[in-house]
Formats: sequence, structure tokens, C-alpha cells
Amino acid sequence: EPEVTQTPSHQVTQMGQEVILRCVPISNHLYFYWYRQILGQKVEFLVSFYNNEISEKSEIFDDQFSVERPDGSNFTLKIRSTKLEDSAMYFCASSERGRSGEQYFGPGTRLTVT
Amino acid sequence: SQQGEEDPQALSIQEGENATMNCSYKTSINNLQWYRQNSGRGLVHLILIRSNEREKHSGRLRVTLDTSKKSSSLLITASRAADTASYFCATDEYNAGNMLTFGGGTRLMVKP
Repeated sequence: EPEVTQTPSHQVTQMGQEVILRCVPISNHLYFYWYRQILGQKVEFLVSFYNNEISEKSEIFDDQFSVERPDGSNFTLKIRSTKLEDSAMYFCASSERGRSGEQYFGPGTRLTVT
Repeated sequence: SQQGEEDPQALSIQEGENATMNCSYKTSINNLQWYRQNSGRGLVHLILIRSNEREKHSGRLRVTLDTSKKSSSLLITASRAADTASYFCATDEYNAGNMLTFGGGTRLMVKP
């Protein structure tokens, strides 16, 4: 069964460093998302992406964040200058349809900023 | 309270019993999705129920949706120890794009 994959599974970085989290969405899906879950808290929406552009973003997704689909399979989240409070589990998701489509999540990347 | 609040926050049952988890939300929605998360792992999609549907089944899962009460329930029948996980509802709000708003989850423990 097709699934969303994410790499790395765990990333440790120092404050102020740039990180790139990678995702391979399900191949026939057209809508891509990033969410995060700070330890012990709710899953929060960051950004959605369709047709090579951001369709929505939350207040969390400030200028330090960017997304890109560099080729036909990968979808990346970049954090330019990490802060301690960026430590969280980051989930990529994809859906075949936009409105009212099931969103399938990857296993997540645990980002630890020291 | 916030969109997508689950109740109870924690539930402990014996294997073979049924588990019922509830979710309440505040705004109009297009659909509501239920997910399972094993400790520290990814979110597994369980079931999606659309705003014009009242009940949906998938294996041992039964989901209901009452849009007049803005609530949903997830019933797991004949629970197994492997069902031990956190369960989240997530709403796709009407006129809010495709983003999902998650609740805080119910931690289910099924004792063998």
C-alpha cells in the first residue's frame, strides 16, 4: 500500500542552524501538507501546497519557514534559523483531493534543537 | 473550548470490551477524520466521515457524526491490546481551506 515517507526520522541541530526535512508524498497525490506536534501538545497545521505554490499557511509558518517541491517526488520543509521552540515532531501529509480528501501522514521527523 | 476536543482524555478497558471516544467541535465542517497514533509514532488514518453522513463503518470501527450537536464518536468493538494508542479527531472546517484542526486526543489503554 502506498505511503508517505519522511527523512530523517530524527534530526538534532544547534540553535541558529538551518534544517531541511524531506518527504515523499504518495505518488498520485496532488496536495501536500506539513504539520507539527510539540511534545505533549496537539498536532498543528503549518502549511498546505498545491500546484507548486502555498495555498494556506498558519501563523506558525513565518519567514523562517519555507517549502519546496524540488522535483516530481520530494516535498521539503526548510527552517532557516532554528530556535529551541522549533523542537517538535514534524509530519508531512498528502491527499489526492483538496477539500474533503483523506490526508495520509508520514511517520514524522523528530527535530531536536539544542 | 477549542475545535476538536476529545472526551475522555484517557480510557482504560479490558481486552474484548468496546471503547467509545467522543469529539466535539465548534464550527461548520466539510468532514471529520479520525487518526490513531502509537506512542511517538506517526498518525494513521482510520476513517473519514463527511458532513452529510451520519454513520460509517470500517472493520471494528464505527464512527457517527451529529452535525446538529457538532459532535462525533468513534467506537472500537471487541478491543485488542494492539488498539492501545492515542486517538485524534481532526476537522476540515468549512471555508477554511484544506487544513485539518486536531483535538487533544484520547489515550486508550487496552489491558490484556
